[in-house]
This record gives sequence, structure tokens and C-alpha cells, in this order.
Amino acid sequence: EADIYQTPRYLVIGTGKKITLECSQTMGHDKMYWYQQDPGMELHLIHYSYGVNSTEKGDLSSESTVSRIRTEHFPLTLESARPSHTSQYLCASSDLFARDQHFGDGTRLSIL
Amino acid sequence: AQSVTQLGSHVSVSEGALVLLRCNYSSSVPPYLFWYVQYPNQGLQLLLKYTTGATLVKGINGFEAEFKKSETSFHLTKPSAHMSDAAEYFCAVSGYTGGFKTIFGAGTRLFVKA
Repeated sequence: EADIYQTPRYLVIGTGKKITLECSQTMGHDKMYWYQQDPGMELHLIHYSYGVNSTEKGDLSSESTVSRIRTEHFPLTLESARPSHTSQYLCASSDLFARDQHFGDGTRLSIL
Repeated sequence: AQSVTQLGSHVSVSEGALVLLRCNYSSSVPPYLFWYVQYPNQGLQLLLKYTTGATLVKGINGFEAEFKKSETSFHLTKPSAHMSDAAEYFCAVSGYTGGFKTIFGAGTRLFVKA
């Protein structure tokens, strides 16, 4: 049963649109993460946060941005979507010691 | 620095056969080790983890893994495969290297034949 929620699950949208992918967790975790994953491929960390007002870029460069105004909420925004942004985006959270990560079910994004 | 290598991007077994998914890690600090499973169109779900203590770790769905420090391995096994085990499996390592960061392997897709 998911205790980290991502919306929408699927999004098909045209080029140039502004997109926000939502992620919320109910576990009170300090750390949150965004991964990009093409189907059947490895995970690439694109953003993470240690807590409120903390955001860091991950290992894979991304044109997206994130914010962390509340502990439970970690949205990802694309100001102007392009076909190259088509992918699956996974949100996760963990305690500060990263003993394990809890994942949402992902948002599958298609940019036409 | 930490890294994870999963041997074999694809593994195929018959239903009822032994499942063995291989994972080797590199870590300059005592590692935390994890196996996650991902079913189609879903996120990752934790199967099992090793932090400290007993080196044989049992997880959900009948899976287990053994931490072997001398071999820097954390292989995942299940005695008898079921069709529902078909999925993508990710090995991961974390530990304190100036901050806690989790490194994921590239994944191994398990196929189960009837």
C-alpha cells in the first residue's frame, strides 16, 4: 500500500506546455528524491532534498526544477515540455540515513 | 566511493527452478545493501535489506540474500520461481560517505517460463 503518492499517473501533453508533477509522502521523511527512468532501464537521480528549503541536483542533468516548501510535498516542474522529456518519473522518500527508500508508483510522461 | 554491479541484465528460469540474481558492490564504508523489485508501470518496492547483524536476510515473497563481505556480494535467491516473480530487480548500496546516498544497480529483468 503506497504511502507516497504521485499524480498524475499518466500525462500526454503538447510541446511547450508547463508541467508540474506532484509527489507527497505521509511518513514524515526528511529526504525526498526524483528519479528519471526510461522503460526497462536503470534509474537516474535528477533531484533530491534533505528537508524544507533544501534542493540539490542529482547525477543526471535535468531541465526540470523542484521545490520543498513543506516536508511532505516535493513537486517537479518543467517550464516548457519537449519530446526529449518523455520518460517515467519516480518520486521516493527516506529517513536521513537512507536506510531504505519508499517509492511512489511513478508518472509516465509523454510529450507530443 | 560506492558502486553496484548486477551481473546479467536478463535472467530466465523455469517455474519451480532456483532464482539467483547476482549483485556485487564496492564501498569504502560499512554498507547498507538492498534489493528492490519493480513490476510494470509501478515504482520500486523493497524486497529486503541488510544493515547490520545477521548476514542472511529474509525478505518478502520467499526471497533471501546473503551479505558476503569477503566476496563483496549480496546475491538474491529464491528456491522455487513463480510466474508472479517476473519483474525487474534492482540491487542498491548506501552508507555514510559524507552524507547518505543510495546507488542503484542497472537492474536485472527476471523472466519465468511456464
